[in-house]
Amino acid sequence: AQSVTQPDIHITVSEGASLELRCNYSYGATPYLFWYVQSPGQGLQLLLKYFSGDTLVQGIKGFEAEFKRSQSSFNLRKPSVHWSDAAEYFCAVGEGWGKLQFGAGTQVVVTP
Amino acid sequence: DAGITQSPRYKITETGRQVTLMCHQTWSHSYMFWYRQDLGHGLRLIYYSAAADITDKGEVPDGYVVSRSKTENFPLTLESATRSQTSVYFCASSESGTGDEQYFGPGTRLTVT
Repeated sequence: AQSVTQPDIHITVSEGASLELRCNYSYGATPYLFWYVQSPGQGLQLLLKYFSGDTLVQGIKGFEAEFKRSQSSFNLRKPSVHWSDAAEYFCAVGEGWGKLQFGAGTQVVVTP
Repeated sequence: DAGITQSPRYKITETGRQVTLMCHQTWSHSYMFWYRQDLGHGLRLIYYSAAADITDKGEVPDGYVVSRSKTENFPLTLESATRSQTSVYFCASSESGTGDEQYFGPGTRLTVT
């Protein structure tokens, strides 16, 4: 069975600093990979997704993610964090029938 | 309203009562999903539906029932609510299957006392 691990439960970052969120997956074939963001009290919004091709994927809000097959990772990055990036971030792997398997999430706090 | 909506947004119920959470989408998406969100677990799939009258269990289906008589609606029923079902419930939809983006509703916060 596939799984998704987000090793960092909580990350604190200063505004303007870079951010990297880790995601490791366990899946037999090349997976469909997603990053979603959840602002407080809101539903989830897709940041970016990877299916195949270029392993560096650009998303919305200045985020990017890199797929590394050898490390079974799909880490999310942003060069310069804004206060509005404070949220919870979820990595997910796609399964059959359109289902998603989510990681436990990483809470990002942005300090002034 | 266009998009995906959930009702109610907040619900308090007592143990043993039946409660139904509603989900409605205006896009005519084929696929719909119900998740529950609990601290430390991320989102876990309860049930999903590939089309009207086609539903199947997800990771945590026990104690829940779904139906999908119309493409746009996907209600989730807790037949006899338990305290362990206190959670935030999210409905989502997608146009097609594997690999497609899911669009999420705003969630329903359910408390079972």
